[in-house]
Amino acid sequence: QSALTQPPSASGSPGQSVTISCTGTSSDVGGYKYVSWYQQYPGKAPKLIIFDVSERPSGVPDRFSGSKSGNTASLTVSGLRAEDEADYYCSSFAGSKSYVFGGGTKVTVL
Amino acid sequence: EMQVVESGGGLVQPGGSLRLSCAASGFTFNTHWMAWVRQAPGKGLEWVANINPDGDKTHYVDSVKGRLTISRDNAKNSLFLQMNSLTAEDTALYYCVIHGAWNFGYWGQGTLVTVSS
Repeated sequence: QSALTQPPSASGSPGQSVTISCTGTSSDVGGYKYVSWYQQYPGKAPKLIIFDVSERPSGVPDRFSGSKSGNTASLTVSGLRAEDEADYYCSSFAGSKSYVFGGGTKVTVL
Repeated sequence: EMQVVESGGGLVQPGGSLRLSCAASGFTFNTHWMAWVRQAPGKGLEWVANINPDGDKTHYVDSVKGRLTISRDNAKNSLFLQMNSLTAEDTALYYCVIHGAWNFGYWGQGTLVTVSS
C-alpha cells in the first residue's frame, strides 16, 4: 500500500495546458482501469473530477481529461483558468477493496 | 441533495479512543459502500477504511488494522469510525465519503482529530 507518485507542483499560463502524472505499479494503476482524480481547494473537501481513468462526472468541464499508459496515469487540464489553481490527487484501486492515493500536485496558474 | 456530515473529532491523548460519526442524507444510504479518508495537516490524502452496504464486509489500510473499526447503522443512516490506541500519526482531518463504483464520489467537510498530550 505505497503511495502513488505525483510531482509536487505544476504550472502554466492561462489558456495553456498542464499535465500531471501519477505513477504506481502493476498492483494498482497498471492492474486496473480504476484510476480517479480529485481537485481540492485550500480548506475545502476534495471533489471527484475524473473516474475510471478518463470518465468525467456530470458538471465537470471537458477541459479536464484523463489517460493511462502502463503504470502511469495522467490528468490534463486544457485551457487553464485561474479557478483551476488547486491541489490535485490521483487514486487507484489496489486490489482486495483497498485504495491508494498519490501525494498530490499543486497546480499554479501563472 | 446528497449530504454527509461528520462529527466526533477533538483532542485526545496518545493511547486514547475516539468515535467518529457521519450522518448521511439525500440518498439511499443502505445501497452505497462508504469510506473514511484522512488528511494529516498540510499533507496528502490517505484511504483509511471502507464498508459494504450491508455492513458485513470491511477493509482497512495496514497502518490502522486492529486499532480502527468502521461500522454503519443503516436504520439511522449513519457511518462510524471507532478509533482506539491512537498515536500522533493518526492526527488528521477525517472525511466521510460516499463510494462511487471504484472511486470516492462525494465527500463531507471532515472532522479534525488531534492526538497530543
